[in-house]
Amino acid sequence: NAGVTQTPKFRILKIGQSMTLQCTQDMNHNYMYWYRQDPGMGLKLIYYSVGAGITDKGEVPNGYNVSRSTTEDFPLRLELAAPSQTSVYFCASSKWTGVNTGELFFGEGSRLTVL
Amino acid sequence: AQTVTQSQPEMSVQEAETVTLSCTYDTSESNYYLFWYKQPPSRQMILVIRQEAYKQQNATENRFSVNFQKAAKSFSLKISDSQLGDTAMYFCAFIGRSNDYKLSFGAGTTVTVRA
Repeated sequence: NAGVTQTPKFRILKIGQSMTLQCTQDMNHNYMYWYRQDPGMGLKLIYYSVGAGITDKGEVPNGYNVSRSTTEDFPLRLELAAPSQTSVYFCASSKWTGVNTGELFFGEGSRLTVL
Repeated sequence: AQTVTQSQPEMSVQEAETVTLSCTYDTSESNYYLFWYKQPPSRQMILVIRQEAYKQQNATENRFSVNFQKAAKSFSLKISDSQLGDTAMYFCAFIGRSNDYKLSFGAGTTVTVRA
């Protein structure tokens, strides 16, 4: 059981470039999230989704876009990368029924540097 | 937005000793979930313990236990018999209907276990 898988784990971008962080989960969770973590700080929510076809903004959505065409996948798109987007990005998923209700399962994180 | 406050940025503890991390939160709900997550240097987010607000009994997981004071909106984590592997950043987190089931994190407490 792979859980939550993020790719790539590391990436360096130039200012103005675009890229997509991929996230997939195999636990049939309806909720998925993208967080960013700046050095020495807590996690801030970028976007989240409560199910396929439904997405909503979190605390810090500017400069990002998401889509949720399937239950499994929740990619995060960075358009026109800026140095302020240098961070570690975490994808997570959760469910609201049965055992482990409410618990977020996290991917291993993706370290992005914009130069 | 939900507020989760961790007032201790850093704590240090001798191996085999006990350390307690504080967390307070703000909500008007009666039913919600609280979590402590551990983030070691590997960066992986690991669930330490969870507490459901409607359960009065404090959760315990091996050497980790919580003191959940619902009226005071307090959720402290006690690490007993500290081990070197407990060195990590610890995040308190809240999730409930009032924040649309989005996990809100505190700023984190860095715990260093000394040999």
